[in-house]
Amino acid sequence: DAGITQSPRHKVTETGTPVTLRCHQTENHRYMYWYRQDPGHGLRLIHYSYGVKDTDKGEVSDGYSVSRSKTEDFLLTLESATSSQTSVYFCAISTGGERNEQFFGPGTRLTVL
Amino acid sequence: SQQGEEDPQALSIQEGENATMNCSYKTSINNLQWYRQNSGRGLVHLILIRSNEREKHSGRLRVTLDTSKKSSSLLITASRAADTASYFCATDAGNFNKFYFGSGTKLNVKP
Repeated sequence: DAGITQSPRHKVTETGTPVTLRCHQTENHRYMYWYRQDPGHGLRLIHYSYGVKDTDKGEVSDGYSVSRSKTEDFLLTLESATSSQTSVYFCAISTGGERNEQFFGPGTRLTVL
Repeated sequence: SQQGEEDPQALSIQEGENATMNCSYKTSINNLQWYRQNSGRGLVHLILIRSNEREKHSGRLRVTLDTSKKSSSLLITASRAADTASYFCATDAGNFNKFYFGSGTKLNVKP
């Protein structure tokens, strides 16, 4: 699993509240990603990071922000949670280089009531 | 979007049979990767094929890539009940290491 952990693993929150999900890696990989997974949509990229303080938007970034102040931590914040953000969120790293494989965390199941 | 699309969306076979899944994508790529996801778990990397390769093998897995048709196939031979999972293709166009995933094929292998 390339030493990737996510916290919390499950969260239930109410519409309008801010939520922060944390991704932590232990192997000093440069690239980190946040995806959401919904039935019928596969994985969709929310934001990604290519280094400390270097982040960019993915295909479904509206309503989300990210921060990466340390190599090992990548935070995803839902500024004001909505029911449409109920989903399973996966963090990933990529190894870069010639093989460039992605390794995924165990996921966070978020329910917004 | 250069998202890959898998076909079929669902596949049900008997143990011992072969399973074939297809992936189509829209733009040029550096490589294409296949992942497996067991229910309720994260994705696990299976195999990577580069754009200049046509076929790759790994154990019971065989992947082909046809860049002229922008398509790939994953063949699992002699399937087992433990192969029951969802399978996703992901394309890497080399743009800041961004990956684009398809919506997956749900494989059910009946014992």
